[in-house]
Amino acid sequence: NAGVTQTPKFQVLKTGQSMTLQCAQDMNHEYMSWYRQDPGMGLRLIHYSVGAGITDQGEVPNGYNVSRSTTEDFPLRLLSAAPSQTSVYFCASSYNTGNTEAFFGQGTRLTVV
Amino acid sequence: AQSVAQPEDQVNVAEGNPLTVKCTYSVSGNPYLFWYVQYPNRGLQFLLKYITGDNLVKGSYGFEAEFNKSQTSFHLKKPSALVSDSALYFCAVRDRETGANNLFFGTGTRLTVIP
Repeated sequence: NAGVTQTPKFQVLKTGQSMTLQCAQDMNHEYMSWYRQDPGMGLRLIHYSVGAGITDQGEVPNGYNVSRSTTEDFPLRLLSAAPSQTSVYFCASSYNTGNTEAFFGQGTRLTVV
Repeated sequence: AQSVAQPEDQVNVAEGNPLTVKCTYSVSGNPYLFWYVQYPNRGLQFLLKYITGDNLVKGSYGFEAEFNKSQTSFHLKKPSALVSDSALYFCAVRDRETGANNLFFGTGTRLTVIP
């Protein structure tokens, strides 16, 4: 049981480039989300999904797109990378949106130069 | 609106001493509360949660937390700290009554246990 798998672990982009951060979970969780972690700011929610075909914006969605075509996968797309998007990105999944805990991937460290 | 405050960026404690990492929250309804730990270059790992019932919750690695509704707090505690407990700790809240889907995190507290 792999849990939540994120790829790549590290990435360097040039300003203006686009890329997709991959996230997959094998626990049949309906709820998935993307966070970014910045020093002194904790984790901030970018986008989330309550099931296949359903996505919604979180606290800091600008510059990012998501889709949820399957229960397992929830990719995060950076449309035109900016230095302000330099961060560590975490994908998480949970069984529901109530009292169950979230499981996190190991993160993607993104640097935009 | 939901929010979480972790008032201490850094907590230092000697090995073998008790430790406390503080967390206060704000929700419009009643909360689900969580503690997570992050080791260097790793994702967050779940430690414990408060759903309902007994205000003292026990979790992984000997950690426990006490829910105090009147003080809107959920402090993390351990009776005897280990060097291996050194990590970044996050408190998180979800509002059970508004139907909000999202976990809101505090800014984290770095715990250093001194040998």
